[in-house]
Amino acid sequence: DGGITQSPKYLFRKEGQNVTLSCEQNLNHDAMYWYRQDPGQGLRLIYYSQIVNDFQKGDIAEGYSVSREKKESFPLTVTSAQKNPTAFYLCASSGYTSGLGDKGLEQYFGPGTRLTVT
Amino acid sequence: AQSVAQPEDQVNVAEGNPLTVKCTYSVSGNPYLFWYVQYPNRGLQFLLKYITGDNLVKGSYGFEAEFNKSQTSFHLKKPSALVSDSALYFCAVLRGGYNKLIFGAGTRLAVHP
Repeated sequence: DGGITQSPKYLFRKEGQNVTLSCEQNLNHDAMYWYRQDPGQGLRLIYYSQIVNDFQKGDIAEGYSVSREKKESFPLTVTSAQKNPTAFYLCASSGYTSGLGDKGLEQYFGPGTRLTVT
Repeated sequence: AQSVAQPEDQVNVAEGNPLTVKCTYSVSGNPYLFWYVQYPNRGLQFLLKYITGDNLVKGSYGFEAEFNKSQTSFHLKKPSALVSDSALYFCAVLRGGYNKLIFGAGTRLAVHP
């Protein structure tokens, strides 16, 4: 899983509560991403960030928020507005802005956080 | 719109036999294509990518993929499957800026002893 850590591995919350998922990388990558994985649907992009203090909505950003105050960290908050938050969440990073050429196009993934909301 | 399709939900192979996991794509311009593998309850691991050049791309763990522009395909192959290859495989294509990827729905590979 490269140099990306996600915590916790499993997370349980009651409906109506906000919850924050942690993602840290020590790869010195500028770009970071959050994906949601549901069975049979592949990965869908929630948010992405190219540099510190900048982030963009992905395909399914509603009900989620992020921050990028440090290069190493890209936490994701699942808010109570997210209608179906139970899923497996994956964080990734890439060095495509770091002068790595084609190598920079490869995304490195963390081990994931499985969120269950009841 | 750019998209990736993996037409098989599951592929079953006997150990020692060759395996193929299929992927087709739809993009405007030249495609940048990737294969990732996911073991249970883990993140994705990069296997290989096609950017340009030779149509046969070699990657990790003995896997290779063949880029076919006329058929818009990028099938993943391995000459001799191992039980330990059993996992979920994702094909992906690069889209737009910021190195964003579009993933297929995934194909579960089951290699039987």
